[in-house]
Amino acid sequence: GIQVEQSPPDLILQEGANSTLRCNFSDSVNNLQWFHQNPWGQLINLFYIPSGTKQNGRLSATTVATERYSLLYISSSQTTDSGVYFCAVHGGSYIPTFGRGTSLIVHP
Amino acid sequence: DSGVTQTPKHLITATGQRVTLRCSPRSGDLSVYWYQQSLDQGLQFLIQYYNGEERAKGNILERFSAQQFPDLHSELNLSSLELGDSALYFCASSVTGTYNEKLFFGSGTQLSVL
Repeated sequence: GIQVEQSPPDLILQEGANSTLRCNFSDSVNNLQWFHQNPWGQLINLFYIPSGTKQNGRLSATTVATERYSLLYISSSQTTDSGVYFCAVHGGSYIPTFGRGTSLIVHP
Repeated sequence: DSGVTQTPKHLITATGQRVTLRCSPRSGDLSVYWYQQSLDQGLQFLIQYYNGEERAKGNILERFSAQQFPDLHSELNLSSLELGDSALYFCASSVTGTYNEKLFFGSGTQLSVL
């Protein structure tokens, strides 16, 4: 099946800093989504982005499907951005495959 | 609030017991997915249903079973529980369960097997 690798595995920032999270995948995909798992365990869908660029407030995402990667940008980070960020891809099946995630801690 | 409802939020039980986790999908969503999240295994797909029928199966143990009812809610049954079954169990839903749709997750059921 399709392999999904996320980097870095861990990230520690001071409030106000910017960051870029990366998701690489091993084969062509039909869909890619980014999720945020907050410290209370809730998984929130951030972006549905099979290709191109989308922005939502301080967050933006870019997927370059032909080069098999996606980037999640967080600008002016806040403590509420802490948690784990997952990317999930649909390859040839209807079932999304999740990466292992990037754990982000934002200090005040 | 994603609109996906899972109950209970927490469950503590003993080895060898059987439990049932419940999920109500978002209004209008016909497909339900079950995932298991443990520290060492990440988010593992268990099983998917679409409009009452099983559509896809992942690494679901034989001790586990699920079903989706006519009102579209789903239940995940875990039996002969072992310590290693302790995990966070998520339900997710989407409209038709294909790959061009957003996936929405419930808040999960934290299962502790003692």
